[in-house]
Amino acid sequence: QKEVEQNSGPLSVPEGAIASLNCTYSDRVSQSFFWYRQYSGKSPELIMSIYSNGDKEDGRFTAQLNKASQYVSLLIRDSQPSDSATYLCAVRLRDDKIIFGKGTRLHILP
Amino acid sequence: GAVVSQHPSRVICKSGTSVKIECRSLDFQATTMFWYRQFPKQSLMLMATSNEGSKATYEQGVEKDKFLINHASLTLSTLTVTSAHPEDSSFYICSASAQGLEYEQYFGPGTRLTVT
Repeated sequence: QKEVEQNSGPLSVPEGAIASLNCTYSDRVSQSFFWYRQYSGKSPELIMSIYSNGDKEDGRFTAQLNKASQYVSLLIRDSQPSDSATYLCAVRLRDDKIIFGKGTRLHILP
Repeated sequence: GAVVSQHPSRVICKSGTSVKIECRSLDFQATTMFWYRQFPKQSLMLMATSNEGSKATYEQGVEKDKFLINHASLTLSTLTVTSAHPEDSSFYICSASAQGLEYEQYFGPGTRLTVT
């Protein structure tokens, strides 16, 4: 059973601080990893995709991948109240199916 | 990013009737479309995967005769909930992916189904 694990939270972070979201996955051969943001009552929105070890930065967001540790993370710098949402980690399997973690609820404190 | 639309955004139907939900990729050709269901405060549950022109692959526990999926073209997939019951009330979300987009999945805005 392929799995993606995330801490459900809620993770509370002061406005302006760095929010750090973590994810581990079980399928060692996975090559593609994604972070989605989902606001309550809305569908998920793709924020970042990462395919190789290391960091990938896009604006205030940085995705980090460590395939040896089977670990993916998302850093959000200068956190804003509008960043409050549930963040879903997703991993593509060999059969191209994408499996999702249960999500981490992030709450930015004004 | 790529745009996926869903119609309707919200539907209320009576128990025993059928409801069709459409999912369209607006600016790309989707080789694969996925249908998810999400109950309040729960995670996304993959229901089925469909490729254009072939039968959908359903996840374990999802009744294929109740949730009919048709993927007639590279831009359109439909989900029909047949003989709907109140327990089918949920948020149904489709997503689409394509090789040219490195298989990233883009989600539609979702359809909230309420069965009375």
